[in-house]
Amino acid sequence: NAGVTQTPKFQVLKTGQSMTLQCAQDMNHEYMSWYRQDPGMGLRLIHYSVGAGITDQGEVPNGYNVSRSTTEDFPLRLLSAAPSQTSVYFCASTIRGIGANVLTFGAGSRLTVL
Amino acid sequence: AQSVTQPDIHITVSEGASLELRCNYSYGATPYLFWYVQYPGQHLQLLLKYFSGDPLVKGIKGFEAEFIKSKFSFNLRKPSVHWSDAAEYFCAVGTSSNTGKLIFGQGTTLQVKP
Repeated sequence: NAGVTQTPKFQVLKTGQSMTLQCAQDMNHEYMSWYRQDPGMGLRLIHYSVGAGITDQGEVPNGYNVSRSTTEDFPLRLLSAAPSQTSVYFCASTIRGIGANVLTFGAGSRLTVL
Repeated sequence: AQSVTQPDIHITVSEGASLELRCNYSYGATPYLFWYVQYPGQHLQLLLKYFSGDPLVKGIKGFEAEFIKSKFSFNLRKPSVHWSDAAEYFCAVGTSSNTGKLIFGQGTTLQVKP
């Protein structure tokens, strides 16, 4: 199994540009989430989803959109990139139930906004 | 609101020495507690978790952690550190109602001296 796959691994954007970070999992996990990692701040939750068609905001949702049309995919969209969105982004997934808090992470996507 | 605090941003220990990384959380009920490790250039991996039962939990690579409810702490320990343990360590808390959503601490970077 591939687990959680994120693309691209690296991306450089100019302020105002848009892009989509892709996330796919092949473990049939119902829950998926996006975190951003910034030095000294740990990981902060951006958006999460408990199933296809259901999404909700996390701690730092501003500037990001998500959708979940299938169980497997959970893309993160930046509509108008800002330098404050320079970060490393991690997608994660987990199963429903007692083990649902044990997250499987993707390898990360490093985004730089100039 | 839930929160996780890792008081030590950076710790340096000599190879072979013992290690303790501190983690304190804020949550009204008994939480689900985790330690994740991120080796340089890699994604987060689960070291160990506490859901219930024995408050002393053992994880991979010789790590263990103790849940002390009265102190709201979940400190990570290892009796003898190896150079390969150099990494960033994250404590995280989840709840049964927030499945798939974890609150992470700021992280502790461990440096190992030869």
